[in-house]
Amino acid sequence: KAGVTQTPRYLIKTRGQQVTLSCSPISGHRSVSWYQQTPGQGLQFLFEYFSETQRNKGNFPGRFSGRQFSNSRSEMNVSTLELGDSALYLCASSLDGTVVEKLFFGSGTQLSVL
Amino acid sequence: DQQVKQNSPSLSVQEGRISILNCDYTNSMFDYFLWYKKYPAEGPTFLISISSIKDKNEDGRFTVFLNKSAKHLSLHIVPSQPGDSAVYFCAAQAMTRGSARQLTFGSGTQLTVLP
Repeated sequence: KAGVTQTPRYLIKTRGQQVTLSCSPISGHRSVSWYQQTPGQGLQFLFEYFSETQRNKGNFPGRFSGRQFSNSRSEMNVSTLELGDSALYLCASSLDGTVVEKLFFGSGTQLSVL
Repeated sequence: DQQVKQNSPSLSVQEGRISILNCDYTNSMFDYFLWYKKYPAEGPTFLISISSIKDKNEDGRFTVFLNKSAKHLSLHIVPSQPGDSAVYFCAAQAMTRGSARQLTFGSGTQLTVLP
């Protein structure tokens, strides 16, 4: 069974630009979550999607948005990039996210904002 | 406001000895706890978990202890091996609106096992 796939692996952008990251969950998984990892901050929850609906949202500004498609693939968008947005963005999938279960993570997209 | 705290950013242990990684939490609504291991350039992978109704869970060389009254959990690795060198994240789950569950992570502890 293929794992969680995130593309692209690396991105370099400049301040003010926007970026779109993609995540393909494990086949059959309907819940997709996004996390931001920065040095010393651990993983910060961005949002979670289930059946094309955002079900949970973390404490990030509105510049961070996402969506989920009917095939459960998800995209995350960051507009008006700031230097502080440089981070590893991780996507994780699970069956439905309603019971205690582990998440399966992708390898992440490393975003550098110059 | 960090609800899950890993106060030791790094830990070095000799191969064959015990590694003890600690985690504290503040939210009493957390009812499930997990440890993830992360190697560089890879996503975190699940290691071991424990429900709040238990105080110990073992899986091979890995044991997680939960002290609910102290809101503290720890991960013991015995014996430690060089391949265990990685960043370890503690995470906690609670029910949220709409029955969805959300993971709250600590900031991680870099474990280095010296040969």
